[in-house]
Amino acid sequence: DAGITQSPRYKITETGRQVTLMCHQTWSHSYMFWYRQDLGHGLRLIYYSAAADITDKGEVPDGYVVSRSKTENFPLTLESATRSQTSVYFCASGTRAGYEQYFGPGTRLTVT
Amino acid sequence: AQKVTQAQTEISVVEKEDVTLDCVYETRDTTYYLFWYKQPPSGELVFLIRRNSFDEQNEISGRYSWNFQKSTSSFNFTITASQVVDSAVYFCALSGLRSGSEKLVFGKGTKLTVNP
Repeated sequence: DAGITQSPRYKITETGRQVTLMCHQTWSHSYMFWYRQDLGHGLRLIYYSAAADITDKGEVPDGYVVSRSKTENFPLTLESATRSQTSVYFCASGTRAGYEQYFGPGTRLTVT
Repeated sequence: AQKVTQAQTEISVVEKEDVTLDCVYETRDTTYYLFWYKQPPSGELVFLIRRNSFDEQNEISGRYSWNFQKSTSSFNFTITASQVVDSAVYFCALSGLRSGSEKLVFGKGTKLTVNP
């Protein structure tokens, strides 16, 4: 199906474990983004990418790693998960800088 | 720095009432975009509208309308004759075109509850 998908939709992991959240889009959008959504903080940008092999930090990048070897994929890795990374993670994509972004369904991550 | 303020944290109305969600923004950019997103209880984020800073015309789409006023740095969203399905969290967002300001900055959202 066309659109933007995230996997897994739900994940429970333990403190210290590495976990990777996947994001895939079929629109060939140049830009892709990772946000986390927490009560009281709204949506905060973690990392973004303007094109394959180009990534940049957002507002809250610490503890996260991204890569973008292909235009359609933008995985987010928590190298050593901490409880403070318990959140809902949204991936988004867009055609141009500054234009609207289209969001995936989100991944609810719980770190125990 | 760019900033979006949605002062109304929660709003509760009865079905068929009109409701306005406020959004005030700050930016140093001369060209910028404003957005509204809807997040229903199911959790997905749905894009509703993008407005260019050059275009101050109000926009209407069915029961939805948007009032952009550059003089007061506001981009308010009105739902006419609200329905239960309008219950959601609504986010206002801002982006610029200068390098570094092209990322969307979101307000913290307004939770709208429409009661039958």
